[in-house]
Amino acid sequence: GQNIDQPTEMTATEGAIVQINCTYQTSGFNGLFWYQQHAGEAPTFLSYNVLDGLEEKGRFSSFLSRSKGYSYLLLKELQMKDSASYLCAPHSGNTPLVFGKGTRLSVIA
Amino acid sequence: GAVVSQHPSRVICKSGTSVKIECRSLDFQATTMFWYRQFPKKSLMLMATSNEGSKATYEQGVEKDKFLINHASLTLSTLTVTSAHPEDSSFYICSARESSIRGEKLFFGSGTQLSVL
Repeated sequence: GQNIDQPTEMTATEGAIVQINCTYQTSGFNGLFWYQQHAGEAPTFLSYNVLDGLEEKGRFSSFLSRSKGYSYLLLKELQMKDSASYLCAPHSGNTPLVFGKGTRLSVIA
Repeated sequence: GAVVSQHPSRVICKSGTSVKIECRSLDFQATTMFWYRQFPKKSLMLMATSNEGSKATYEQGVEKDKFLINHASLTLSTLTVTSAHPEDSSFYICSARESSIRGEKLFFGSGTQLSVL
């Protein structure tokens, strides 16, 4: 089975940096996905971490520690359009992705 | 990047009717597709795993006779909500897994908002 833990809600100011943490427990592990989902829309792919460490992709970076079962998504230079839910999903082989409840991020002026 | 097309984007139907939702992988072959359901402000819930050429695998609590899944080709999976009722009103999202030498990614369709009157 899987257990995924993320904060339910976060609020941050436009232009700031925010870190969304995710801890997980899985019976197997290949890598970890981060998705962004705006209200009423399907999730969009942000990142997939397989190895430990930080991967940077523009304003978004994702970090993984396999030994600790821990990941975070770092969003820099926040914009209003970044207000969305962010979903952390550990991936185990051929099993389907199971999502946690996600973190609802509100960016305020 | 890979694209998954889902159709229709919105359906309004009368109680008791059946609704079919299509999910296509446009530029890659997907032997496995997944169907999710999401209620407002709730998390994505996996309904079933659709396997090309074989029966779908349903998650616990999902009625397989009510949510019929057909995965007849490597690029198309369909979900039919049979005898829909108001409690079936929800956002249904399909996804397809693309496997390559760079690893695996899961791409989502744009979702179908089903409203049953």
